[in-house]
Amino acid sequence: DQQVKQNSPSLSVQEGRISILNCDYTNSMFDYFLWYKKYPAEGPTFLISISSIKDKNEDGRFTVFLNKSAKHLSLHIVPSQPGDSAVYFCAEGPSASGYALNFGKGTSLLVTP
Amino acid sequence: NAGVTQTPKFRVLKTGQSMTLLCAQDMNHEYMYWYRQDPGMGLRLIHYSVGEGTTAKGEVPDGYNVSRLKKQNFLLGLESAAPSQTSVYFCASSYGWDGTEAYNEQFFGPGTRLTVL
Repeated sequence: DQQVKQNSPSLSVQEGRISILNCDYTNSMFDYFLWYKKYPAEGPTFLISISSIKDKNEDGRFTVFLNKSAKHLSLHIVPSQPGDSAVYFCAEGPSASGYALNFGKGTSLLVTP
Repeated sequence: NAGVTQTPKFRVLKTGQSMTLLCAQDMNHEYMYWYRQDPGMGLRLIHYSVGEGTTAKGEVPDGYNVSRLKKQNFLLGLESAAPSQTSVYFCASSYGWDGTEAYNEQFFGPGTRLTVL
């Protein structure tokens, strides 16, 4: 059973608007949540993370919000740019493996001009 | 720094053939991982290593073996390839886990696209 769920397989947003990508998790034991970005034919690259002791973390145009009571996190991209078009994975860690990450299935974001 | 590199980039195998995927990192990371990505499945952990000479099973280890003879290299082997192993394979590395947010970041290679006929 997937422990990290990204229920929206795809999202389309106009350039300049806000993109909101969502992620739900089931296990409250994890200390960190991370977002990765993946372009076609490339490996995932780290985007931003948040510790479970925080409820918000910002890095430029990217902000991640964590709602522990709802077991929900979201990634906000403001303003969205065409270069942001990619697949976004949320991940939780450390996992039951002790060190690796549990990834969601990903959300494909398309930012249109 | 090259970061994490993977060879080969593409490979086509016939059922029953064997092959080894090579991962190399030049960041002096202790931890290394092998994931597979299938359509609609996200990334799933195959095996991982927390240091030279150590390996451990991940979520989907069956049909694969790994070795970490040198700190910078992590090899993934398929002894008898099956069509179900058609996938994109990603190697990743990280400093490890000491409770610090920064150390959770994993660095990924560009992937190996494997097709088993």
